[in-house]
Amino acid sequence: DAGITQSPRHKVTETGTPVTLRCHQTENHRYMYWYRQDPGHGLRLIHYSYGVKDTDKGEVSDGYSVSRSKTEDFLLTLESATSSQTSVYFCAINDRGPSSYEQYFGPGTRLTVT
Amino acid sequence: GQQVMQIPQYQHVQEGEDFTTYCNSSTTLSNIQWYKQRPGGHPVFLIQLVKSGEVKKQKRLTFQFGEAKKNSSLHITATQTTDVGTYFCAGQDTGRRALTFGSGTRLQVQP
Repeated sequence: DAGITQSPRHKVTETGTPVTLRCHQTENHRYMYWYRQDPGHGLRLIHYSYGVKDTDKGEVSDGYSVSRSKTEDFLLTLESATSSQTSVYFCAINDRGPSSYEQYFGPGTRLTVT
Repeated sequence: GQQVMQIPQYQHVQEGEDFTTYCNSSTTLSNIQWYKQRPGGHPVFLIQLVKSGEVKKQKRLTFQFGEAKKNSSLHITATQTTDVGTYFCAGQDTGRRALTFGSGTRLQVQP
């Protein structure tokens, strides 16, 4: 498996609290992605990054922000968590961009917002 | 926006039977990828198809990309219990950076 870790792996938080999820890679890959996975919806892209300080929105970006200050770390922040953000969050990386190279996924973070 | 539909949502087969999942995009794709996710695991890349009409095989798995580059299929011959999991297609629209994933087909194999 590619060197991708996510932390925390599990988190329970209350509505209205801020939450930050971390994705760390040791592969020096340029591209990093955050997805959420919900039953019946597959994987939906939240945000992605194509380099340090370069990020862009995905299809479900409302309520989420990201930051990438180093190649190896991509942070996903829920400024004020809501119950609709209860989900499994996956980080993914690749090196050549999504058009020509597969994505490697991290182990996932299960987030529950009560 | 781009939509990628995948059918069926779920299939239960007896070990040794064949299995097929289909993927249809609302737009023409530059490429399509297939991933497998075991229960409790993360998606793992299987293959990428780029050319119109392309067919690729990996042992018992056969992947096809349609002539119009708007649909794709994954066929498994003689399923085994190790094939259990959810299979996702993911398509990239021409000119876009990101992939759009289908909702997946969950395969259950009865021994």
